[in-house]
Amino acid sequence: GIQVEQSPPDLILQEGANSTLRCNFSDSVNNLQWFHQNPWGQLINLFYIPSGTKQNGRLSATTVATERYSLLYISSSQTTDSGVYFCAVRSRGKLVFGAGTILRVKS
Amino acid sequence: EAGVTQFPSHSVIEKGQTVTLRCDPISGHDNLYWYRRVMGKEIKFLLHFVKESKQDESGMPNNRFLAERTGGTYSTLKVQPAELEDSGVYFCASSRTLWERGSSGNTIYFGEGSWLTVV
Repeated sequence: GIQVEQSPPDLILQEGANSTLRCNFSDSVNNLQWFHQNPWGQLINLFYIPSGTKQNGRLSATTVATERYSLLYISSSQTTDSGVYFCAVRSRGKLVFGAGTILRVKS
Repeated sequence: EAGVTQFPSHSVIEKGQTVTLRCDPISGHDNLYWYRRVMGKEIKFLLHFVKESKQDESGMPNNRFLAERTGGTYSTLKVQPAELEDSGVYFCASSRTLWERGSSGNTIYFGEGSWLTVV
Protein backbone atom coordinates (compact mmCIF):
# COMPACT_ATOMS: atom_id res chain seq x y z
CA GLY A 1 0.00 0.00 0.00
CA ILE A 2 0.88 3.65 -0.13
CA GLN A 3 3.56 4.86 2.26
CA VAL A 4 3.45 8.25 3.96
CA GLU A 5 6.57 9.59 5.62
CA GLN A 6 6.80 12.73 7.69
CA SER A 7 9.82 14.68 8.80
CA PRO A 8 11.14 15.69 11.19
CA PRO A 9 9.68 13.27 13.75
CA ASP A 10 9.88 15.90 16.43
CA LEU A 11 10.70 19.58 16.65
CA ILE A 12 11.22 22.10 19.43
CA LEU A 13 10.79 25.77 18.59
CA GLN A 14 11.11 29.00 20.47
CA GLU A 15 7.95 31.05 20.32
CA GLY A 16 8.02 33.31 17.28
CA ALA A 17 10.16 31.03 15.15
CA ASN A 18 9.13 29.62 11.79
CA SER A 19 9.14 25.96 10.75
CA THR A 20 8.55 23.69 7.79
CA LEU A 21 7.15 20.19 8.09
CA ARG A 22 7.42 17.75 5.24
CA CYS A 23 5.29 14.88 4.00
CA ASN A 24 6.45 12.45 1.32
CA PHE A 25 4.15 9.88 -0.22
CA SER A 26 4.94 6.91 -2.38
CA ASP A 27 2.20 7.03 -5.00
CA SER A 28 -0.05 9.43 -6.86
CA VAL A 29 -2.89 10.79 -4.75
CA ASN A 30 -5.91 12.98 -5.33
CA ASN A 31 -6.49 13.86 -1.71
CA LEU A 32 -4.02 15.10 0.86
CA GLN A 33 -4.95 16.61 4.19
CA TRP A 34 -2.95 18.12 7.05
CA PHE A 35 -4.21 17.74 10.60
CA HIS A 36 -3.20 19.05 13.99
CA GLN A 37 -3.79 16.91 17.05
CA ASN A 38 -3.78 19.30 19.97
CA PRO A 39 -2.69 18.38 23.51
CA TRP A 40 -6.30 17.50 24.36
CA GLY A 41 -6.31 14.84 21.66
CA GLN A 42 -8.63 16.62 19.25
CA LEU A 43 -7.83 16.17 15.57
CA ILE A 44 -8.24 19.45 13.74
CA ASN A 45 -8.41 19.58 9.95
CA LEU A 46 -5.94 22.22 8.74
CA PHE A 47 -5.88 21.88 4.96
CA TYR A 48 -7.31 19.85 2.15
CA ILE A 49 -4.55 20.29 -0.42
CA PRO A 50 -4.10 17.68 -3.15
CA SER A 51 -2.06 20.21 -5.14
CA GLY A 52 -1.05 23.85 -5.13
CA THR A 53 -0.74 26.25 -2.22
CA LYS A 54 -3.18 27.41 0.44
CA GLN A 55 -2.83 29.80 3.33
CA ASN A 56 -4.80 30.18 6.51
CA GLY A 57 -3.45 32.80 8.88
CA ARG A 58 0.01 31.84 10.07
CA LEU A 59 -0.22 28.45 8.40
CA SER A 60 0.27 27.63 4.76
CA ALA A 61 0.68 24.42 2.82
CA THR A 62 2.05 23.47 -0.56
CA THR A 63 1.66 20.16 -2.35
CA VAL A 64 3.70 19.24 -5.41
CA ALA A 65 1.78 16.21 -6.53
CA THR A 66 4.12 15.35 -9.41
CA GLU A 67 7.02 15.09 -6.98
CA ARG A 68 4.93 13.41 -4.27
CA TYR A 69 5.49 15.72 -1.37
CA SER A 70 3.72 18.33 0.65
CA LEU A 71 5.01 21.02 3.00
CA LEU A 72 3.33 22.68 5.94
CA TYR A 73 4.69 26.07 6.97
CA ILE A 74 4.13 27.52 10.41
CA SER A 75 5.18 31.12 10.83
CA SER A 76 5.57 33.10 14.06
CA SER A 77 4.86 29.98 16.09
CA GLN A 78 2.86 30.18 19.31
CA THR A 79 2.65 27.83 22.25
CA THR A 80 -0.85 26.87 21.13
CA ASP A 81 0.69 25.40 17.97
CA SER A 82 2.14 22.58 20.07
CA GLY A 83 0.90 19.10 19.37
CA VAL A 84 1.25 16.52 16.64
CA TYR A 85 0.91 17.37 12.95
CA PHE A 86 -0.28 14.62 10.67
CA CYS A 87 -0.28 14.36 6.94
CA ALA A 88 -2.76 11.92 5.39
CA VAL A 89 -3.42 10.82 1.84
CA ARG A 90 -6.38 8.98 0.43
CA SER A 91 -5.73 5.53 -0.93
CA ARG A 92 -8.49 3.12 -1.96
CA GLY A 93 -11.13 5.21 -0.29
CA LYS A 94 -9.51 5.66 3.09
CA LEU A 95 -6.98 8.08 4.55
CA VAL A 96 -3.52 6.73 5.27
CA PHE A 97 -1.69 8.74 7.91
CA GLY A 98 1.97 9.45 8.38
CA ALA A 99 3.57 8.93 11.77
CA GLY A 100 3.29 12.63 12.55
CA THR A 101 5.63 15.41 13.63
CA ILE A 102 5.58 16.25 17.33
CA LEU A 103 5.94 20.00 17.72
CA ARG A 104 6.68 21.72 20.99
CA VAL A 105 6.74 25.51 21.08
CA LYS A 106 8.47 26.99 24.11
CA SER A 107 7.64 30.42 25.49
CA GLU B 1 -23.74 22.72 10.06
CA ALA B 2 -22.88 20.45 12.98
CA GLY B 3 -19.61 18.57 12.75
CA VAL B 4 -18.89 14.94 13.46
CA THR B 5 -19.84 14.25 17.06
CA GLN B 6 -18.59 11.43 19.22
CA PHE B 7 -19.68 10.08 22.58
CA PRO B 8 -18.34 9.57 25.16
CA SER B 9 -15.39 11.91 25.03
CA HIS B 10 -13.61 9.92 27.72
CA SER B 11 -14.14 6.45 29.10
CA VAL B 12 -12.24 4.47 31.73
CA ILE B 13 -13.13 0.80 32.01
CA GLU B 14 -11.63 -2.31 33.52
CA LYS B 15 -10.08 -5.04 31.46
CA GLY B 16 -12.76 -7.48 30.40
CA GLN B 17 -15.58 -4.96 30.40
CA THR B 18 -17.49 -3.73 27.38
CA VAL B 19 -17.50 -0.23 25.94
CA THR B 20 -19.61 1.19 23.14
CA LEU B 21 -18.54 4.33 21.32
CA ARG B 22 -20.98 6.32 19.26
CA CYS B 23 -20.45 8.55 16.24
CA ASP B 24 -22.89 10.90 14.55
CA PRO B 25 -21.53 11.93 11.15
CA ILE B 26 -22.20 15.20 9.42
CA SER B 27 -25.72 15.16 8.01
CA GLY B 28 -25.78 13.95 4.42
CA HIS B 29 -22.41 12.21 4.58
CA ASP B 30 -22.69 8.68 3.26
CA ASN B 31 -19.13 7.75 4.17
CA LEU B 32 -18.27 7.06 7.78
CA TYR B 33 -14.87 5.94 9.02
CA TRP B 34 -13.43 4.74 12.28
CA TYR B 35 -9.75 5.29 13.11
CA ARG B 36 -7.76 4.92 16.27
CA ARG B 37 -4.48 6.10 17.70
CA VAL B 38 -2.99 4.02 20.44
CA MET B 39 -0.54 5.89 22.61
CA GLY B 40 2.45 7.25 20.72
CA LYS B 41 1.66 5.37 17.54
CA GLU B 42 0.20 6.22 14.16
CA ILE B 43 -3.44 6.89 13.43
CA LYS B 44 -4.70 3.65 11.98
CA PHE B 45 -7.74 2.97 9.85
CA LEU B 46 -10.28 0.56 11.31
CA LEU B 47 -13.20 0.49 8.90
CA HIS B 48 -15.29 2.37 6.39
CA PHE B 49 -19.07 2.41 5.96
CA VAL B 50 -20.89 3.59 2.89
CA LYS B 51 -24.35 4.23 4.21
CA GLU B 52 -25.17 1.13 6.24
CA SER B 53 -22.79 -1.21 4.41
CA LYS B 54 -19.27 -2.04 5.47
CA GLN B 55 -17.11 -1.03 2.53
CA ASP B 56 -13.78 -1.94 4.06
CA GLU B 57 -13.14 -3.47 7.47
CA SER B 58 -9.57 -4.50 6.82
CA GLY B 59 -8.27 -2.47 9.73
CA MET B 60 -10.36 -4.08 12.46
CA PRO B 61 -7.79 -5.64 14.79
CA ASN B 62 -9.76 -8.69 15.93
CA ASN B 63 -13.23 -10.03 16.61
CA ARG B 64 -13.48 -8.17 19.91
CA PHE B 65 -14.36 -5.11 17.85
CA LEU B 66 -17.81 -4.78 16.31
CA ALA B 67 -18.99 -1.79 14.32
CA GLU B 68 -22.51 -1.09 13.17
CA ARG B 69 -24.24 1.69 11.32
CA THR B 70 -27.96 1.32 11.73
CA GLY B 71 -29.96 2.80 8.87
CA GLY B 72 -26.91 4.52 7.49
CA THR B 73 -27.00 7.25 10.11
CA TYR B 74 -25.03 7.05 13.35
CA SER B 75 -22.49 4.35 14.02
CA THR B 76 -21.37 2.44 17.08
CA LEU B 77 -18.09 0.72 17.79
CA LYS B 78 -18.22 -1.88 20.52
CA VAL B 79 -15.18 -3.39 22.18
CA GLN B 80 -15.96 -6.60 24.06
CA PRO B 81 -14.11 -7.68 26.10
CA ALA B 82 -11.71 -4.75 26.33
CA GLU B 83 -7.99 -5.39 26.75
CA LEU B 84 -5.24 -3.08 27.98
CA GLU B 85 -3.83 -2.60 24.48
CA ASP B 86 -7.16 -1.18 23.30
CA SER B 87 -6.43 2.06 25.17
CA GLY B 88 -6.13 5.07 22.89
CA VAL B 89 -8.14 7.65 21.04
CA TYR B 90 -10.87 6.46 18.70
CA PHE B 91 -11.73 8.87 15.94
CA CYS B 92 -14.78 8.88 13.74
CA ALA B 93 -14.82 10.72 10.42
CA SER B 94 -17.25 11.31 7.61
CA SER B 95 -17.30 12.57 4.04
CA ARG B 96 -19.68 13.03 1.16
CA THR B 97 -20.03 10.66 -1.75
CA LEU B 98 -16.55 9.78 -2.96
CA TRP B 99 -17.03 10.51 -6.61
CA GLU B 100 -17.93 14.15 -6.06
CA ARG B 101 -15.15 16.41 -7.28
CA GLY B 102 -13.74 19.32 -5.41
CA SER B 103 -12.81 19.80 -1.81
CA SER B 104 -16.35 19.45 -0.49
CA GLY B 105 -16.54 15.94 -1.86
CA ASN B 106 -13.12 14.75 -0.91
CA THR B 107 -12.43 16.32 2.47
CA ILE B 108 -12.78 13.89 5.34
CA TYR B 109 -13.94 15.54 8.55
CA PHE B 110 -12.97 14.14 11.90
CA GLY B 111 -14.72 14.19 15.23
CA GLU B 112 -12.95 15.16 18.43
CA GLY B 113 -12.29 11.56 19.35
CA SER B 114 -13.21 9.27 22.20
CA TRP B 115 -10.44 8.60 24.71
CA LEU B 116 -10.55 5.04 25.95
CA THR B 117 -8.49 3.92 28.91
CA VAL B 118 -8.55 0.25 29.87
CA VAL B 119 -7.15 -0.45 33.33
